[in-house]
Amino acid sequence: GDSVTQMEGPVTLSEEAFLTINCTYTATGYPSLFWYVQYPGEGLQLLLKATKADDKGSNKGFEATYRKETTSFHLEKGSVQVSDSAVYFCALIPLGGYNKLIFGAGTRLAVHP
Amino acid sequence: ETGVTQTPRHLVMGMTNKKSLKCEQHLGHNAMYWYKQSAKKPLELMFVYSLEERVENNSVPSRFSPECPNSSHLFLHLHTLQPEDSALYLCASSQDGRQGGNTEAFFGQGTRLTVV
Repeated sequence: GDSVTQMEGPVTLSEEAFLTINCTYTATGYPSLFWYVQYPGEGLQLLLKATKADDKGSNKGFEATYRKETTSFHLEKGSVQVSDSAVYFCALIPLGGYNKLIFGAGTRLAVHP
Repeated sequence: ETGVTQTPRHLVMGMTNKKSLKCEQHLGHNAMYWYKQSAKKPLELMFVYSLEERVENNSVPSRFSPECPNSSHLFLHLHTLQPEDSALYLCASSQDGRQGGNTEAFFGQGTRLTVV
């Protein structure tokens, strides 16, 4: 079945460090891919998305590129801030159906001054 | 008011109580979802309603009972819960993808449930 695998956390970085959170998926065809972020005590917010191969989603300095050949959608940011500390979820929506999201386990990011 | 609103934000209930969680969306979506988020476990999809019809029920115990009276409102009725049901319950809405076009889901802030 369809699934998402993302790197285990926690990821601990110093402010202004480079961030990569790996995400790979298993799905039929070309699913839509998403990164959601959850700040402490909050629900999930959409961070960025990509709907077809080679698309790059970007928002708030974060980027992820839809790589069909490696079935990956890694999240990157060139310079993290303390305010980026949160849990990041990679997710997909399979083709067809009613837009059910399938999530990875989440990766906690802690950024220190 | 816009987006997805969940009430209450926090709920403490005894194992013999009956309570309900409410979710309301103001986005014009036609599909709504309940997710459970427990500590150290992946997000679990519990129920899906699309066009006010339940289309998915992922082996959720009968002590959780969903209700979707219209496309804007979703409830989760709770009774005889167990301490292991303590979690963050998240509601989401989206467009049903069967009409074409994949669109993202929008989430509420969740209800933090504690069963004592």
